Amino acid sequence: GDSVTQMEGPVTLSEEAFLTINCTYTATGYPSLFWYVQYPGEGLQLLLKATKADDKGSNKGFEATYRKETTSFHLEKGSVQVSDSAVYFCALSSNTGGFKTIFGAGTRLFVKA
Amino acid sequence: GAGVSQTPSNKVTEKGKYVELRCDPISGHTALYWYRQSLGQGPEFLIYFQGTGAADDSGLPNDRFFAVRPEGSVSTLKIQRTERGDSAVYLCASSTTSGGNTGELFFGEGSRLTVL
Repeated sequence: GDSVTQMEGPVTLSEEAFLTINCTYTATGYPSLFWYVQYPGEGLQLLLKATKADDKGSNKGFEATYRKETTSFHLEKGSVQVSDSAVYFCALSSNTGGFKTIFGAGTRLFVKA
Repeated sequence: GAGVSQTPSNKVTEKGKYVELRCDPISGHTALYWYRQSLGQGPEFLIYFQGTGAADDSGLPNDRFFAVRPEGSVSTLKIQRTERGDSAVYLCASSTTSGGNTGELFFGEGSRLTVL
C-alpha cells in the first residue's frame, strides 16, 4: 500500500541555519504530496503542496519539489526562525488510494535563538 | 467559528465503556475524515465520508469502532468496549474535495481519549 517515510527527529538547529527534512514515498498511481505542520498547542495545518512531478510547493519561506524519479519531497528552508519550531508531517494522497491522505511519522524541529 | 470543531477535547473513561466523539466540519465541506494519532506518530487514517456515506472505512481497526454522518455534516465516531490501547488523540478533518486527491485537509484540534 501507499506509504510515506520521513527522517526521524528531533532536529535541533540554531536560528538562521539551513533546514532539510527528508521525505520519500511509495504510491501506486499519481499522488499529490503535502507538508503539514503542527505548532505547539495547535491543530495540523497545510504548509505546502505539489500535485504533479517537478512541481514546487512553497509557503512561509519553505519549499519542496516533487521528484518522481527519486520518489521524494524533501522540505527545505534557507534560514529558520525560532517560530518555525513545530512538528512537520509529510503526506500523500493518491487517486488509487481511495483519496485518503497518508501521513509520515512526523519530524520535530527545535530552533534555538 | 469557521474551523473544524471537535468535542470533547478530553475524555477519560474506564476500560470496557462506550465513547462517542463528535466532529462538526467546516460548513459546506462534503468530505470528512477521522484519524487517530498516538504519541510520537503521524495521523493514522480511520474512515472517510463523502456526504452521508462512508467512502472508505479501511482504517477502522476492528468492529468496536464505528462512525456515522447521518445528514452529511456532523459526524460521530463511536467506540464500544474501550481498551487501553484505544488511548490516543482522535482527529477530524474536512475538505471541499469531492473525490479528488489534491485538496487541503482542515483539521480540528482533536479529542484526547484516555482509557484507564
